[in-house]
Amino acid sequence: DSGVTQTPKHLITATGQRVTLRCSPRSGDLSVYWYQQSLDQGLQFLIQYYNGEERAKGNILERFSAQQFPDLHSELNLSSLELGDSALYFCASSVGRGRYGYTFGSGTRLTVV
Amino acid sequence: AQSVTQLDSQVPVFEEAPVELRCNYSSSVSVYLFWYVQYPNQGLQLLLKYLSGSTLVESINGFEAEFNKSQTSFHLRKPSVHISDTAEYFCAVTTGNEKLTFGTGTRLTIIP
Repeated sequence: DSGVTQTPKHLITATGQRVTLRCSPRSGDLSVYWYQQSLDQGLQFLIQYYNGEERAKGNILERFSAQQFPDLHSELNLSSLELGDSALYFCASSVGRGRYGYTFGSGTRLTVV
Repeated sequence: AQSVTQLDSQVPVFEEAPVELRCNYSSSVSVYLFWYVQYPNQGLQLLLKYLSGSTLVESINGFEAEFNKSQTSFHLRKPSVHISDTAEYFCAVTTGNEKLTFGTGTRLTIIP
């Protein structure tokens, strides 16, 4: 157990739907990062939050949004889902800016049918 | 800006043979370097890291990596691989002020 908790582990939904992925960072970590991993795109950085504020944005689609709450857990919202959104979504956390590395959760596997 | 290049997307190796997974980085300032491992159907786990000090860093399962500043490399090595080492390996870099930048990964396949 890495200390980073992601729920749910698996999610199957239909095209056009909206889902929410949840992440609880490791105790004491203030930064949360979201990544998408697919066979054709590899590991893609989506977005970073630090203590509730958006810190960096990567290849995140406009249909996707995220937030970090006062208790530091984070949610990634994916809407108007398309078949191509099927992927593994990882959350990671770090104490500060990540100079000591990130701790990853086990991921949420999203399948859009 | 920083970047990482993993030159080999796939590396097949016979069991008990040595292996080297290559990683080169680009940055205009000092860096911190990491290797992560992803076993099938799992998340990424930190394998080893270079922050400062000795340029040779080791993991608990026999892997080692050497920071070479002149060649801007951080290659991962193991003298004798095991079936259980089958996984995807990611190199990553940060300057400390930016998020981690990951390479595209190297899939290590161990041949019995």
